[in-house]
Amino acid sequence: DAKTTQPPSMDCAEGRAANLPCNHSTISGNEYVYWYRQIHSQGPQYIIHGLKNNETNEMASLIITEDRKSSTLILPHATLRDTAVYYCIVRERVNEGAGNNRKLIWGLGTSLAVNP
Amino acid sequence: DTEVTQTPKHLVMGMTNKKSLKCEQHMGHRAMYWYKQKAKKPPELMFVYSYEKLSINESVPSRFSPECPNSSLLNLHLHALQPEDSALYLCASSHGLRGSPLHFGNGTRLTVT
Repeated sequence: DAKTTQPPSMDCAEGRAANLPCNHSTISGNEYVYWYRQIHSQGPQYIIHGLKNNETNEMASLIITEDRKSSTLILPHATLRDTAVYYCIVRERVNEGAGNNRKLIWGLGTSLAVNP
Repeated sequence: DTEVTQTPKHLVMGMTNKKSLKCEQHMGHRAMYWYKQKAKKPPELMFVYSYEKLSINESVPSRFSPECPNSSLLNLHLHALQPEDSALYLCASSHGLRGSPLHFGNGTRLTVT
């Protein structure tokens, strides 16, 4: 099973870039890497995902190493509202021939605290 | 605000009660999911519906019974729950295409007394 490893907690100063690392050394060639975050008492919020290439959207950038064994989520200018638990996830195929039935393999996440 | 709506937001029920959790999305997504989340833990997958058919059941006890009446609605029927079933129950949906991300609701906070 593909799994992810993240530091349990990180701190970041408001206005600075937050770089959140994730190891997924057993990832398969056709598995995507997803990042979600969860603010207290809310549902997980999708941030970004990628397969091989680096990706950027309005929320963040995702840098995936060439060997795909690790990735980094970058929040370019962290704000207090970015304080949350950030989950790095890979998607596991669970049933051959069942189309796109896959389950997300969640790690324990990184609790990011953005400080004023 | 999310595009996946869950009701109720909070629910307290006794062990002999029957209740239902509801989830609705109007994004045209064809896959819908139920997750359970305990405090300080990541979400755990319970059920997946793909094109209104149950495609994954993660060995969930029969006191939890999912239902997908149509592609926009997902229910979770609860009966004879235990106090350890108290948790945040999250609904999610996705296009169902390869690589498509999940969109989550804000969950129902369930307390079993």
